[in-house]
Amino acid sequence: EIVMTQSPATLSVSPGERVTLSCRASQSVRDKLAWYQQKPGQAPRLLISGASTRATGIPARFSGSGSGTEFTLTITGLQSEDFAVYYCQQYDNWPPWTFGQGTKVEIK
Amino acid sequence: QVQVVESGGGVVQPWRSLTLSCAASGFTFSWHSMHWVRQAPGKGLEWVAVVSSDGRNKYYADSVKVRFTISRDNSKNTLSLEMNSLRPEDTAVYYCAREGAYRSFDIWGQGTMVTVSS
Repeated sequence: EIVMTQSPATLSVSPGERVTLSCRASQSVRDKLAWYQQKPGQAPRLLISGASTRATGIPARFSGSGSGTEFTLTITGLQSEDFAVYYCQQYDNWPPWTFGQGTKVEIK
Repeated sequence: QVQVVESGGGVVQPWRSLTLSCAASGFTFSWHSMHWVRQAPGKGLEWVAVVSSDGRNKYYADSVKVRFTISRDNSKNTLSLEMNSLRPEDTAVYYCAREGAYRSFDIWGQGTMVTVSS
């Protein structure tokens, strides 16, 4: 089973700042990496697939990069609606499909 | 509108059974593998099970293997999760999710809560 590790667990940031979230896989997942956003009481929403391809309707301030075992989600110019928990997920080696434990982006 | 809607959650005693349903609309259901993902209160996301587009292939998380059964009815655009021998640790919100063209989970339902408690 591939273990996904996200860091940090929590990020305290101010609106307008640039945010970088990290995700590491215990073995290579090539570019089969997705990022999801989840707000309290809501279902997860797909942001990025293929490590760097934004899903339909996702603003350009969200960008993903990386391959192999190291991945990054960057939010440029954080907006109030971006405060949420972000999860990475690998879909290269399955079953199981595995998620990271999440990074909470909170208001500083 | 592309959507999936879960139903069937509730409070159930340990060792009892419960079946969840997911109704899909707005897309060609039979083209997509479908997954169940759960989230325990205050915890992260845990993949539970998947069924291939034609219903032939099914995979389960070790934590639910043997106890849970995933199935689908492409004629009715519905996905199901039969859960047997439920344990308190199965308490979670259960989400139905569509596997999209890029193999990530591109459509999620709002979830249905399952509470296992005596």
